[in-house]
Amino acid sequence: GAGVSQSPSNKVTEKGKDVELRCDPISGHTALYWYRQSLGQGLEFLIYFQGNSAPDKSGLPSDRFSAERTGGSVSTLTIQRTQQEDSAVYLCASSSRGIAGYTDTQYFGPGTRLTVL
Amino acid sequence: GQQLNQSPQSMFIQEGEDVSMNCTSSSIFNTWLWYKQDPGEGPVLLIALYKAGELTSNGRLTAQFGITRKDSFLNISASIPSDVGIYFCAGQAPGTYKYIFGTGTRLKVLA
Repeated sequence: GAGVSQSPSNKVTEKGKDVELRCDPISGHTALYWYRQSLGQGLEFLIYFQGNSAPDKSGLPSDRFSAERTGGSVSTLTIQRTQQEDSAVYLCASSSRGIAGYTDTQYFGPGTRLTVL
Repeated sequence: GQQLNQSPQSMFIQEGEDVSMNCTSSSIFNTWLWYKQDPGEGPVLLIALYKAGELTSNGRLTAQFGITRKDSFLNISASIPSDVGIYFCAGQAPGTYKYIFGTGTRLKVLA
């Protein structure tokens, strides 16, 4: 597609339920990032994928969070046993390289607003 | 996590005025990016900077990559109501792929 797309745009769930958030990066972009943005805050790095390399999961806040990227394209962020503090906007971004040492820019999707009741 | 120091946190300005905001870091970066985020939307890239001292314009926006590589500023000239939003800086350190984001500058333009 022309840009990064994310689905759903909004998700309301009950505490304790699992949720899956989807990201479709820009076609041809090898790097994919997930961020979390709490209300009125900046962006918090969660996880990074680059090609077929092992992902950098250093930003995931707990083991309830996981992500995968199938076929080097679409990515899914899964949150198990959701808690109220998980409520935030989850943003996905992609870039054409994302390789350390290369200058590059990342482009964001519209985000998924997650509300945990 | 680590964040850049972005200032001001918020500002109210009159339409037609110029605006300036900046980001500083304790470590050097090799890339600076500036984004604007409207309510309910993802950040949209405004300007990308790749070299120390680089000065780049995009319409009424001008951004510079500080020569120390530890800071960057964004100027908006002749502000208009649609400039309202949150502006974020992001920096990428040498040898890394992670971007560190500033805390944002919330801009409100009074017509």
